[in-house]
Amino acid sequence: NAGVTQTPKFRVLKTGQSMTLLCAQDMNHEYMYWYRQDPGMGLRLIHYSVGEGTTAKGEVPDGYNVSRLKKQNFLLGLESAAPSQTSVYFCASSPTSGTFSSYNEQFFGPGTRLTVL
Amino acid sequence: GENVEQHPSTLSVQEGDSAVIKCTYSDSASNYFPWYKQELGKGPQLIIDIRSNVGEKKDQRIAVTLNKTAKHFSLHITETQPEDSAVYFCAASLEGSARQLTFGSGTQLTVLP
Repeated sequence: NAGVTQTPKFRVLKTGQSMTLLCAQDMNHEYMYWYRQDPGMGLRLIHYSVGEGTTAKGEVPDGYNVSRLKKQNFLLGLESAAPSQTSVYFCASSPTSGTFSSYNEQFFGPGTRLTVL
Repeated sequence: GENVEQHPSTLSVQEGDSAVIKCTYSDSASNYFPWYKQELGKGPQLIIDIRSNVGEKKDQRIAVTLNKTAKHFSLHITETQPEDSAVYFCAASLEGSARQLTFGSGTQLTVLP
């Protein structure tokens, strides 16, 4: 049981390049999330999904797109990277059943450190 | 939307002392308040949470208190140990909102041996 995994762990891009970050979870969770973490700003929600085939915007969605074609995977895309997107990106997943604490808990992956030059 | 403020940004305590981290939220409709711990190089992990119909919750050395009227909640860690050193985040959300969490800016806790 690997939990939530993220690929790649590190990436350096040039301005204007594109890339896709992959998140995978093996806990059969319905909900999945993408966050970015910047110094002094905590984690901010980019996009989220409440089930296969669904996506929705979070607090800071501009410049990103997502897809949830399979329940276990949630992809985050940057079509034209900008230096402002330099950040650490975290994926998380959450179940929809269980005790109150268990179904509200978000399980986070180890993060992807992205630098845009 | 919701806004969560967290203080202090850094906190150093001697091993065995207590640590307190405070957060305020803006949306009176928020009703779920978790705390996450993030160790260096890892993703955040839930350590304790509280619902708005509860004033206090305790789990061994960790406790959380909630004051709905004042819209603030706090994390209390007693008998701190070096392994408590990490970044702690508070968050707030509204049940039924796909569990969208609004996080505070984080507190770097250092426990000195």
